Amino acid sequence: DAKTTQPPSMDCAEGRAANLPCNHSTISGNEYVYWYRQIHSQGPQYIIHGLKNNETNEMASLIITEDRKSSTLILPHATLRDTAVYYCIVKARGGADGLTFGKGTHLIIQP
Amino acid sequence: NAGVTQTPKFQVLKTGQSMTLQCAQDMNHEYMSWYRQDPGMGLRLIHYSVGAGITDQGEVPNGYNVSRSTTEDFPLRLLSAAPSQTSVYFCASSKPGLAGNEQFFGPGTRLTVL
Repeated sequence: DAKTTQPPSMDCAEGRAANLPCNHSTISGNEYVYWYRQIHSQGPQYIIHGLKNNETNEMASLIITEDRKSSTLILPHATLRDTAVYYCIVKARGGADGLTFGKGTHLIIQP
Repeated sequence: NAGVTQTPKFQVLKTGQSMTLQCAQDMNHEYMSWYRQDPGMGLRLIHYSVGAGITDQGEVPNGYNVSRSTTEDFPLRLLSAAPSQTSVYFCASSKPGLAGNEQFFGPGTRLTVL
């Protein structure tokens, strides 16, 4: 699985868009970009994934650069409940051998 | 659906004791996994299973055993607990082809080994 690099922490004002970057310069053609988050002490929660096109669901949007070497997770209107550690993970689809979690980005939403 | 359930929520052991962490899912998922999370770190894979009767080692398998006799259950056994196994343990399940690698996680078991 390709390695990812994320900033250790970020702040965002409540109501603003939170943009979380991820670098995955060694991603290979069959690997997807997945985002999970972990709210304090809880199990991680799936957010979104994509291969090369931008994706949007009810939680977030995922923007992947054309060369696929980096991506950005966007939470359009951050709330206090979005304070969490966000993990960017790169993996080939369908693998049963689990996910490789780095340290992620601790996003703090400020009131 | 209850999703992924784990018991117990908290456990304190003495060095050398054994115990089993329970994990069950009611979503008929083929894949199940165990992770551990140490303070300030991401999750690390201990063991995983692709179906009943089939298990394999992850990144940090030493000191842990697993078995998968049914689709629903995937218990994790600590054979002889050590202080280095103090951690939070998460169980997860997923289904091949379901939103790619979307995994559903349980609430975790917080284990302290004295």
